[in-house]
Amino acid sequence: ELKVEQNPLFLSMQEGKNYTIYCNYSTTSDRLYWYRQDPGKSLESLFVLLSNGAVKQEGRLMASLDTKARLSTLHITAAVHDLSATYFCAVFNAGGTSYGKLTFGQGTILTVHP
Amino acid sequence: NAGVTQTPKFRILKIGQSMTLQCAQDMNHNYMYWYRQDPGMGLKLIYYSVGAGITDKGEVPNGYNVSRSTTEDFPLRLELAAPSQTSVYFCASCLRWGGGNTIYFGEGSWLTVV
Repeated sequence: ELKVEQNPLFLSMQEGKNYTIYCNYSTTSDRLYWYRQDPGKSLESLFVLLSNGAVKQEGRLMASLDTKARLSTLHITAAVHDLSATYFCAVFNAGGTSYGKLTFGQGTILTVHP
Repeated sequence: NAGVTQTPKFRILKIGQSMTLQCAQDMNHNYMYWYRQDPGMGLKLIYYSVGAGITDKGEVPNGYNVSRSTTEDFPLRLELAAPSQTSVYFCASCLRWGGGNTIYFGEGSWLTVV
């Protein structure tokens, strides 16, 4: 069974600081997603990572994927208050009897304060 | 192009009542998913479908049923509603490949069982 674990689950950051959120998963996958969710809202797509070594950047966020280690990271550079939200990774199961299943991590609640 | 449409947006049910949450997409997506999200928690997969006529259980299928008679529609049926089913429900869809590999989410359905 595919397990997806994020850490940390809670992250309180000062504006201007850098930090990384980690996403570990337990089985073969060919696609990993990062999403953002604001309170009371649906999920907003941030990144789709398709191959080993993939790196994508948008503004202060950068995501990377290491399929051999089954690890993805979401790096936050010089945090600003607008980045406060919950961040989820999600892994697409590309093998076995659960082919096509999309499993989410627990989410990381990020709060950026002055 | 409407994307993923969920109805209703809000609903209050009494214990023991039944209802159907509707989900429709107009992007000819193969894969469709139903998740529930309890307050402050991550998304748990209820059921998913990899094509018309094919459905499979996710992590938390008890108390729910689905069908996928067409590519466009993926309704979620709640039978004999219980307070534990109070949650926000999200429907999502994607192509197996292409379309930017993006997963599209509906806006959510807020369900309260009293």
